[in-house]
Amino acid sequence: SQQGEEDPQALSIQEGENATMNCSYKTSINNLQWYRQNSGRGLVHLILIRSNEREKHSGRLRVTLDTSKKSSSLLITASRAADTASYFCATDLSLLAGGTSYGKLTFGQGTILTVHP
Amino acid sequence: GAGVSQSPSNKVTEKGKDVELRCDPISGHTALYWYRQSLGQGLEFLIYFQGNSAPDKSGLPSDRFSAERTGGSVSTLTIQRTQQEDSAVYLCASSLFRELGTQYFGPGTRLLVL
Repeated sequence: SQQGEEDPQALSIQEGENATMNCSYKTSINNLQWYRQNSGRGLVHLILIRSNEREKHSGRLRVTLDTSKKSSSLLITASRAADTASYFCATDLSLLAGGTSYGKLTFGQGTILTVHP
Repeated sequence: GAGVSQSPSNKVTEKGKDVELRCDPISGHTALYWYRQSLGQGLEFLIYFQGNSAPDKSGLPSDRFSAERTGGSVSTLTIQRTQQEDSAVYLCASSLFRELGTQYFGPGTRLLVL
């Protein structure tokens, strides 16, 4: 089964509104990342939050991480039509002997965001 | 310089044929990953390379799937005796650092097995 589960599966909003997407996971993680995908092709990295961080900002993006609830949220403020895409959370729970991670990502099913002009 | 590139962009093949998918990572990136995205399974990890070795190939679905990386750069994913369920988009990503590293994805190869 998928490590990450996202909700909502689809979100439709008007330009200028905020969009919030949530991700829940099941096991301890090294870090959690959010990616964006347009038209079912390459993914673009948006933001990475480490397991010891609680909140991170990047431009109009704000990510929170609650390790006690095993959940994360991505907030896009003042959305634009160009933000229309699929958004995925991905957890890194890879572990090599010696205790280092190696970036193996487990993805959620994604949220399809549509921003209407 | 350029980002991760993959070829071909699209591949249509007949069931039972072999296919090779190529990934050119960003120059200097030592970590390379293959993922597969299909309607039924979402995005799945296939294999991880550090340099030319593959410490984790646990995501390869069957022994029909293999991958190699040469010169710490280009990687090839080979699928032998393709089946219809192999139809998917195959994505390659590379990263400068294996730990806490941003992964840069290529545009993917869309494979259709008839």
